[in-house]
Amino acid sequence: GQSLEQPSEVTAVEGAIVQINCTYQTSGFYGLSWYQQHDGGAPTFLSYNALDGLEETGRFSSFLSRSDSYGYLLLQELQMKDSASYFCAVRSRDDKIIFGKGTRLHILP
Amino acid sequence: DGGITQSPKYLFRKEGQNVTLSCEQNLNHDAMYWYRQDPGQGLRLIYYSQIVNDFQKGDIAEGYSVSREKKESFPLTVTSAQKNPTAFYLCASSASRGMNYEQYFGPGTRLTVT
Repeated sequence: GQSLEQPSEVTAVEGAIVQINCTYQTSGFYGLSWYQQHDGGAPTFLSYNALDGLEETGRFSSFLSRSDSYGYLLLQELQMKDSASYFCAVRSRDDKIIFGKGTRLHILP
Repeated sequence: DGGITQSPKYLFRKEGQNVTLSCEQNLNHDAMYWYRQDPGQGLRLIYYSQIVNDFQKGDIAEGYSVSREKKESFPLTVTSAQKNPTAFYLCASSASRGMNYEQYFGPGTRLTVT
């Protein structure tokens, strides 16, 4: 079967850095994605890692270690608008994309 | 503007009725997906399609049906056999041979069955 594990909630202070971890177990792995979803909205794409290492996009970075079946999303210089749910998602064979249950990020002023 | 449209935004049905949710995309994407999201939960895959006239079951396909007669359209029918249909339904598409397999999501349909 396939499963993804990520913390249900994380709290951080405005201006700080936060890391959201994701471990996965899949039959066939082709990449790890991260999505952001604000309350009542649709998920929006943040990043994708197919190979090991760090990908940086502005304040957001994503890391993948395929040997450890592990990845994380790093958010820097946190802003109040970053308060949202963050989902990791794995792409397996046949373009099947499975999501984790999401991490709710709370940001304190 | 390219994107994905879902209609309606809110839908109310009586128990025992089938209901069809619309999903249309003009992004020329090959792959399309249907997810279900319950409060405080992640997205669970119902069905997906990589190409016209072909689709595969996701993790929670029971009680749902789909069709993919056109590249642009991937409607989802919630049948009376679905035991707990009230949920937020999200449709997505992606360029299956793209560089990052980014999924683009529609605004979603909130279905309430009473």
